[in-house]
Amino acid sequence: EAGVTQFPSHSVIEKGQTVTLRCDPISGHDNLYWYRRVMGKEIKFLLHFVKESKQDESGMPNNRFLAERTGGTYSTLKVQPAELEDSGVYFCASSPRQGLMNTEAFFGQGTRLTVV
Amino acid sequence: DAKTTQPNSMESNEEEPVHLPCNHSTISGTDYIHWYRQLPSQGPEYVIHGLTSNVNNRMASLAIAEDRKSSTLILHRATLRDAAVYYCILSGAGSYQLTFGKGTKLSVIP
Repeated sequence: EAGVTQFPSHSVIEKGQTVTLRCDPISGHDNLYWYRRVMGKEIKFLLHFVKESKQDESGMPNNRFLAERTGGTYSTLKVQPAELEDSGVYFCASSPRQGLMNTEAFFGQGTRLTVV
Repeated sequence: DAKTTQPNSMESNEEEPVHLPCNHSTISGTDYIHWYRQLPSQGPEYVIHGLTSNVNNRMASLAIAEDRKSSTLILHRATLRDAAVYYCILSGAGSYQLTFGKGTKLSVIP
């Protein structure tokens, strides 16, 4: 069974440009999460989808970040325009059940974003 | 989510058991204790979780104190592949996100 896959694995863009990250969750997982680790900091939650609906986007840093999950399958995270402080590793995760109290989340390998 | 406290780093010799401690003195009655790890250049990986009783799976064992204020992740025989940052995370009712702290960086010495 394929795990959570993320594209691209690395992206280097200039300040002010737009970048779109993609996440394909495990098939059948309605719950999809985005996290990120910026340099020297801890991994932080960004948002949570249940199917195509945003359940919680409290971790989104500002309105330059837009996440979508049309059709409830794959998700995209767009950063527009990118700033230097957006550099970091962006992780996607999925889980089969709503809530993470008594279930596990499956993470992708991450996308390393470098803004220069 | 309640806070957890872990040592910043630990070392182990290869093929020796490793006991990774976690303190969570403010844990609530419905909080599950989860452990994830992150190998270099990879995403976090689920290891194990439990509520009150000790748990075993193919990767590790989780020993939970009777008062639930602390727990210990046990790797029975450390291998070089177990070198990673290990995170102890509490997840309670209505929890839809994982709160990662700094974790414990485990080094395994050949």
